[in-house]
Amino acid sequence: AQSVSQHNHHVILSEAASLELGCNYSYGGTVNLFWYVQYPGQHLQLLLKYFSGDPLVKGIKGFEAEFIKSKFSFNLRKPSVQWSDTAEYFCASHRGSTLGRLYFGRGTQLTVWP
Amino acid sequence: DADVTQTPRNRITKTGKRIMLECSQTKGHDRMYWYRQDPGLGLRLIYYSFDVKDINKGEISDGYSVSRQAQAKFSLSLESAIPNQTALYFCATSDRGTGTDTQYFGPGTRLTVL
Repeated sequence: AQSVSQHNHHVILSEAASLELGCNYSYGGTVNLFWYVQYPGQHLQLLLKYFSGDPLVKGIKGFEAEFIKSKFSFNLRKPSVQWSDTAEYFCASHRGSTLGRLYFGRGTQLTVWP
Repeated sequence: DADVTQTPRNRITKTGKRIMLECSQTKGHDRMYWYRQDPGLGLRLIYYSFDVKDINKGEISDGYSVSRQAQAKFSLSLESAIPNQTALYFCATSDRGTGTDTQYFGPGTRLTVL
C-alpha cells in the first residue's frame, strides 16, 4: 500500500527563520509528488509539483522541494519564512502509472511568529 | 479556485438525515474527486470519477454515495448522516489530458452532524 508520511505535525518558527518540512513516501515505483498549502479557512492550493527531470523543484511564494529518490523523500524548504506563511502544508503523491488518485500525508501546521 | 464551486459551504444537520453536497466546475476537467478532511488525518479520498460513466470507491466510501450528473457536476450524498461524518469536505478536479493530472480544489463544505 502506498502512504505518505509527514513527521512534523506542528512547526513553530520566527519570521526570517529557514523552513524544512519532511515528507516521505512508501511506493517504490515511479511517483509524482506534490505540496499543497491550506491557509486558515481556505481550500488547498498547489505550491509545487514534481513529475520528472530536475529533482529540485521551485514553486510559488519562494518555496522549493527536493526529490531524493534514494531516501523516498520530497522535503519542502523555504530560506526565510514570513508571518503570512502560517498555514497547514500537505504532501501528496500518486503513482505514475495510475494518475488521478492522490495519497495525502496528515499535514504539518506551520506557525510563524512576527 | 473559483473554477471549482461547492454548495452548500456550511451545513448543520441531524443524525439520520439525508444530505447532498454538490460540486461544479468550469475548468473542463474530466476527473473529479471527493475528499474529507479531519484534523490530524489529512485528506482522505471518498470517491472519484474519471469520466461521466466511471465511478470508483476511495479509501473511505462506506456511508457515502456519489452521482456524476455531467462532466461538470459531481455530487456526494450521505444517505443517513451520523455524527462521525462531521468534517470538512472538498471536491477536486483534474485533467488527464495535461499529462500531470494536477488536482485543483474547491472551497470546501463544512458539515456538522448533530
